[in-house]
Amino acid sequence: KNEVEQSPQNLTAQEGEFITINCSYSVGISALHWLQQHPGGGIVSLFMLSSGKKKHGRLIATINIQEKHSSLHITASHPRDSAVYICAVRLIQGAQKLVFGQGTRLTINP
Amino acid sequence: NAGVTQTPKFQVLKTGQSMTLQCAQDMNHEYMSWYRQDPGMGLRLIHYSVGAGITDQGEVPNGYNVSRSTTEDFPLRLLSAAPSQTSVYFCASSHWDIQETQYFGPGTRLLVL
Repeated sequence: KNEVEQSPQNLTAQEGEFITINCSYSVGISALHWLQQHPGGGIVSLFMLSSGKKKHGRLIATINIQEKHSSLHITASHPRDSAVYICAVRLIQGAQKLVFGQGTRLTINP
Repeated sequence: NAGVTQTPKFQVLKTGQSMTLQCAQDMNHEYMSWYRQDPGMGLRLIHYSVGAGITDQGEVPNGYNVSRSTTEDFPLRLLSAAPSQTSVYFCASSHWDIQETQYFGPGTRLLVL
């Protein structure tokens, strides 16, 4: 079993819908990253969380350390949000390393 | 700032050949890392460095070497390429800690025949 699991693996929605992508992990962590990989392959960092909630534009990321779960929400989704969203965690007992989920492929249709 | 740059963008190798994938950053970041991305799998850490002269192994280090002689550069060497090393390789950097925002290069697509 992977230490970091994302769901769903694939998600297709209509423009304007509210999107939720989930990330669950099985070990203690000190930080969690959400990344976006564009169709062209480039990867950008969206959020780093160690507790609570962060918001940037239409994107909201939350984390519940006790439940070992994080969610990425997109409000008023747009076709340009189509990408692969990746969750990555730093393990508490780990060194300077990230463990990645397999990613969620999001497609927003106009 | 150019950010994180990687060269080449695409490379074809024959089994047994060696090559170096280049990675450079101009943000004075202490932390640099190499990942490979394969279909159906998440990014996997190959090697990382927390500063010039300091490197350590990641999850999948076999067949790869790294060095960090300067803060800016972190090359990845394939010693004797194998078809299993066909992948997309990403370099990333951040200020001193893995919990800082990670900046990724555009990737190098490698095909080993």
